[in-house]
This record gives sequence, C-alpha cells and structure tokens, in this order.
Amino acid sequence: AQSVSQHNHHVILSEAASLELGCNYSYGGTVNLFWYVQYPGQHLQLLLKYFSGDPLVKGIKGFEAEFIKSKFSFNLRKPSVQWSDTAEYFCAVGGYNQGGKLIFGQGTELSVKP
Amino acid sequence: DAGVTQSPTHLIKTRGQQVTLRCSPKSGHDTVSWYQQALGQGPQFIFQYYEEEERQRGNFPDRFSGHQYPNYSSELNVNALLLGDSALYLCASSWTSDLTSTDTQYFGPGTRLTVL
Repeated sequence: AQSVSQHNHHVILSEAASLELGCNYSYGGTVNLFWYVQYPGQHLQLLLKYFSGDPLVKGIKGFEAEFIKSKFSFNLRKPSVQWSDTAEYFCAVGGYNQGGKLIFGQGTELSVKP
Repeated sequence: DAGVTQSPTHLIKTRGQQVTLRCSPKSGHDTVSWYQQALGQGPQFIFQYYEEEERQRGNFPDRFSGHQYPNYSSELNVNALLLGDSALYLCASSWTSDLTSTDTQYFGPGTRLTVL
C-alpha cells in the first residue's frame, strides 16, 4: 500500500534559519508529488508540485523541493524562514493509475520564533 | 474567481444521525475529491467524483457515499454517524486532463463535523 512519511512532527526555528522538511513515500511507479501548507485559521494551499522534468522545483514564498527518485524522497527547503512561515506543512503523493487519489503525510508543524 | 466553497462551516450531530456536506468546485474544474482530516493527522482520501461517477474510493465504509451533479458540485453523505466520524471534511477540486495521473487539487476550507 502507498504511504507517505514525514519525519518531523514539530520543528521550531528562529527567523532567518534554514529549513528542510523530510518526506519519503512508498510507491513503486510514477508519481506526482505535492507540498501543501496550512496557515493558522486558513485552508490547505498548494506550495509547489512535481510532475516531471527538473527534479528541483520552486514554489511560492521562496520554497523549493527536490525529488530524489532513488531515495523516494521529496524534501522541502527554504534558505531563510520568516515568522509568517509558521504553519503546518503536508507532503502528498499521487500515483499513476491510482484514480486521482492523494496520499498525505501526517504533517509537520513549523513554529518560527521572531 | 471563487475558489472551492463548502457548506456548512460547522455541524453538530448525534450518533446514529445522517449528515450531508456540500461542495462547489473552483471555476473550470470538473472533478471533486473528498478527504477526512482527524485532529493532528493528514487528510485521508474518501473518494473522487468525475463525470458524475465515483472514480476511486479510499478505505471508508459504505456509510460514506457521495454524488456529483451535472454542474460539477458534489455532496458527501454519511449515514449512521459514529463518534469517530468527528473530523474536518475537506473537498478538493481539480481539472482532469489525464485519467492516468493525479492532477493538482485545490482545497476548500472544510466542514467541521462534531458527533456527540
């Protein structure tokens, strides 16, 4: 069965620190990969996505993610976080021929201290 | 351009009752997916509707059913409610360009269901 694992449940950083959130998935075939963010009191928003091509994808607000196929990973990065990045981050995977189903990780809560 | 809308925002029901949740997709989208998000967890896929038919279903019992209308809006029905059905129910819409892949899904604000 497909699954998505996010290694960190809660990350606390100071402003200007660098961020890397891990995401690993289990699925043997071709995948589409997503990172979503949920700011306090708001709904899930798309940060970035990978479908094909350059494995380094850039998203909104300075976020980027790298797809490493051999490691089944899609880690999210940001060089310098801001207080406004405080939110919950979800990694999601959609496998080919899986009927459009997204499998989500458990989420990582990021707290940025001013 | 309106995004995905859901109604109601909050709902309180008692065990054994039935509930209907509604979703209107983003303009231009033809596919609606439903997810259940328990507290502290990631969303779990319930099912997806495309061309008014259930295209894919997650690991949820038959008490969970749905419908999609010709205008692409959708309903999620849950019968015989259990305490464990208390959760945030999310609707996501997308444009199906390729039936083999997973298109980008855009989420609504959700309906918070509390079962007492």
